[in-house]
Amino acid sequence: QKEVEQNSGPLSVPEGAIASLNCTYSDRVSQSFFWYRQYSGKSPELIMSIYSNGDKEDGRFTAQLNKASQYVSLLIRDSQPSDSATYLCAVKRWGTSYGKLTFGQGTILTVHP
Amino acid sequence: GAGVSQSPSNKVTEKGKDVELRCDPISGHTALYWYRQSLGQGLEFLIYFQGNSAPDKSGLPSDRFSAERTGGSVSTLTIQRTQQEDSAVYLCASGKAVNTEAFFGQGTRLTVV
Repeated sequence: QKEVEQNSGPLSVPEGAIASLNCTYSDRVSQSFFWYRQYSGKSPELIMSIYSNGDKEDGRFTAQLNKASQYVSLLIRDSQPSDSATYLCAVKRWGTSYGKLTFGQGTILTVHP
Repeated sequence: GAGVSQSPSNKVTEKGKDVELRCDPISGHTALYWYRQSLGQGLEFLIYFQGNSAPDKSGLPSDRFSAERTGGSVSTLTIQRTQQEDSAVYLCASGKAVNTEAFFGQGTRLTVV
């Protein structure tokens, strides 16, 4: 089982729709969760961080965390073609590898006009 | 500068040569991470530093790879006797602390010919 798994893509949504990206993690003691966006040929860019159960909203983005289910998601409302990118879920866990940031394989999102 | 700076941006080297990749983290950031991303693949963890020490080196692919960090700031990733499979984008990220967000540099594209 991979430490961090993301829903298989690619994901295609029409402009203006809600895009839903999902991520599960295997290590129950994970404490910090992040979403990065990576455009083709560019480095990852942090878009959201979430540390406690519940929802966190920032503009068109909402991150949702459920530690009991070991699940984190990212919703993008009013999707725009400029949101087309690979979205990476990342998890930090505590313990002997405290601070290690582990990434999922990414989900490719395409927003079509 | 305000962001993470990596140099060089591009490096082409002959098989068997040694290369050094440099990362200048954001000022004051104590955590520093190295990742590798091959074409079309996810981020592969290499090593992370807290200050000058490396609590987790588990991702270094072989003993040809080494990294150091001095003065709690600049880090150098060294690859000895480069092989073609070392060709990838090497990404560095830094964070204020090990339990906070990490921000990426623009990466170094390494090509071994």
